[in-house]
Amino acid sequence: KAGVTQTPRYLIKTRGQQVTLSCSPISGHRSVSWYQQTPGQGLQFLFEYFSETQRNKGNFPGRFSGRQFSNSRSEMNVSTLELGDSALYLCASSGGGRGDEQFFGPGTRLTVL
Amino acid sequence: ILNVEQSPQSLHVQEGDSTNFTCSFPSSNFYALHWYRWETAKSPEALFVMTLNGDEKKKGRISATLNTKEGYSYLYIKGSQPEDSATYLCAFTGSARQLTFGSGTQLTVLP
Repeated sequence: KAGVTQTPRYLIKTRGQQVTLSCSPISGHRSVSWYQQTPGQGLQFLFEYFSETQRNKGNFPGRFSGRQFSNSRSEMNVSTLELGDSALYLCASSGGGRGDEQFFGPGTRLTVL
Repeated sequence: ILNVEQSPQSLHVQEGDSTNFTCSFPSSNFYALHWYRWETAKSPEALFVMTLNGDEKKKGRISATLNTKEGYSYLYIKGSQPEDSATYLCAFTGSARQLTFGSGTQLTVLP
């Protein structure tokens, strides 16, 4: 069974630009969650999508948005990039049950200059 | 804001030593406690998902216990090996479905 894939793996952008990251979950998984990891902050929850609907949202500004397609693939968009958005962005997929084990992708390393 | 705390922040042990880490979480509205291992340049990998007070889980040399009434979980590694070097994360699921992660314990096992 193929694991969770994320593209691109690395990205360099400048302040003010926008970026779109992609996540393909494990086949059959309907839930995709996104996390941001910055040094000293740990993994911070961004949002979760289940069956094309945002089911849960973390405490991030509206510049961070996402969507999920009918095949469960998900995209995350960050508009008007700031230096502080430089981070590793991880997505994780699961069956969608509360407390289900989540399977993580390799992440996208975003650098904002 | 949920508070999930892990200690110690980092740990260096010799090969063959046994070690343990602590995860503290809110004792109210508990649903599940997860442990993940995150090796450098890899994805976080689930070790255990624990839901019942008193749960004990074991996978090889690694085991975990759970106390939901007082809000803590311990992760034990017996006879540490260099390949155990990683960051160990715990994550709490409460009334909300999302996982709230602690900041992790970085373990280095010296040969």
